[in-house]
Amino acid sequence: NAGVTQTPKFQVLKTGQSMTLQCAQDMNHEYMSWYRQDPGMGLRLIHYSVGAGITDQGEVPNGYNVSRSTTEDFPLRLLSAAPSQTSVYFCASSSEERGTYEQYFGPGTRLTVT
Amino acid sequence: GENVEQHPSTLSVQEGDSAVIKCTYSDSASNYFPWYKQELGKRPQLIIDIRSNVGEKKDQRIAVTLNKTAKHFSLHITETQPEDSAVYFCAAHASGGSYIPTFGRGTSLIVHP
Repeated sequence: NAGVTQTPKFQVLKTGQSMTLQCAQDMNHEYMSWYRQDPGMGLRLIHYSVGAGITDQGEVPNGYNVSRSTTEDFPLRLLSAAPSQTSVYFCASSSEERGTYEQYFGPGTRLTVT
Repeated sequence: GENVEQHPSTLSVQEGDSAVIKCTYSDSASNYFPWYKQELGKRPQLIIDIRSNVGEKKDQRIAVTLNKTAKHFSLHITETQPEDSAVYFCAAHASGGSYIPTFGRGTSLIVHP
């Protein structure tokens, strides 16, 4: 299994540009989520999905859109990039396994908005 | 919603010492408490977890304790080694089998050789 994959690894955008961060998992997990990680702020939840066709907002959803058309894929769209969105983005998937809810993280995307 | 506080934000120890990281949570119905380790430039990975029906769990040099009455849980690392240097995150899952955790802000552990 590849686990959780993310592309691209690095991205530089200009203010106002849009882009999509890709996330895919091959573990047949129902739950997927997007986090951003900023120094001293931990992992903040942007959006999450409990299954194909179902998404919901997390703690910091403004400026981001998601969709979940398949179990495997959960892309994150930046509508109009702003410098405040400079961050490291992690996608994660999970499923109840033996009574635990372990989050499997992707390798991350480092985004810089200038 | 759930709120998780984590302390300290930075912890510096000498190799061989013990390290303790503490977290508190607000939702008394939370029932699953994992700990993740994130090495520099890498993704977070689960290192140990505990469910609300257990008070302590050990795995070699790491252990986690849970006090449901006080709503706090702690990570204990004994005989620290330089490779333990990383950022550690605690998390809490609300009741009802929520698959989406609330994370603490992280503790940067530095182990000096």
